[in-house]
Amino acid sequence: QVQLQESGPGLVKPSETLSLICTVSGGSISYYYWTWIRQPAGEGLEWIGRISTSGTTDYNPSLESRVTISADMSKNQFSLKLNSVTAADTAVYFCARGTSGWHYLDLWGQGSLVTVSP
Amino acid sequence: DIVMTQSPDSLAVSLGERATINCKSSQSVLYSSNNKNYLTWYQQKPGQPPKVLIYWASTRESGVPDRFSGSGSGTDFTLTISSLQAEDVAVYYCQQFYSTPSTFGQGTKLEIK
Repeated sequence: QVQLQESGPGLVKPSETLSLICTVSGGSISYYYWTWIRQPAGEGLEWIGRISTSGTTDYNPSLESRVTISADMSKNQFSLKLNSVTAADTAVYFCARGTSGWHYLDLWGQGSLVTVSP
Repeated sequence: DIVMTQSPDSLAVSLGERATINCKSSQSVLYSSNNKNYLTWYQQKPGQPPKVLIYWASTRESGVPDRFSGSGSGTDFTLTISSLQAEDVAVYYCQQFYSTPSTFGQGTKLEIK
């Protein structure tokens, strides 16, 4: 079955760039939307953005100036880059698959905790 | 952005009793072209990612127990657990897919009374 797994540094310094990769195993990255969501400890969920398999991206306007989501079809991976991070970006970052009709997120990774600290 | 507001923030229900969680959107999430509400409900347990329960406001995801049901249209939606089980203790979120950015409600924490 299809599984998603986030990977990347767990600690990032303020003002630097947070980089995460989501590896999709057991299935193709085609025909879906690939999404990043984050959740600060003890708080709710925030949608960061998505990429379609045609390469079209949509970002949360609150983060748009700092975010880039890209995909590598040959590696069955998609990635998140968030630059100029501050402590407010400390959160668990989830990657997830959106249905082709974009009506729900049907598969999620387990999440990756990223802490922003000197 | 569409603002999603859930009520209550927390809820304590006795085992076997009914639990009801509400979600209100700041604008309609009903697509007139297909008459579907782009509203999804998730359950999140500690240390786990969210799990989809209901999509299109009332369609139960495969494998989800039938004690979970969703209703509503336009801007007002409800998630109902007909007979609360111990394993239903979790935080529940609604999410709209009508427009980007997709937005979540703030969550409702469900506990056993």
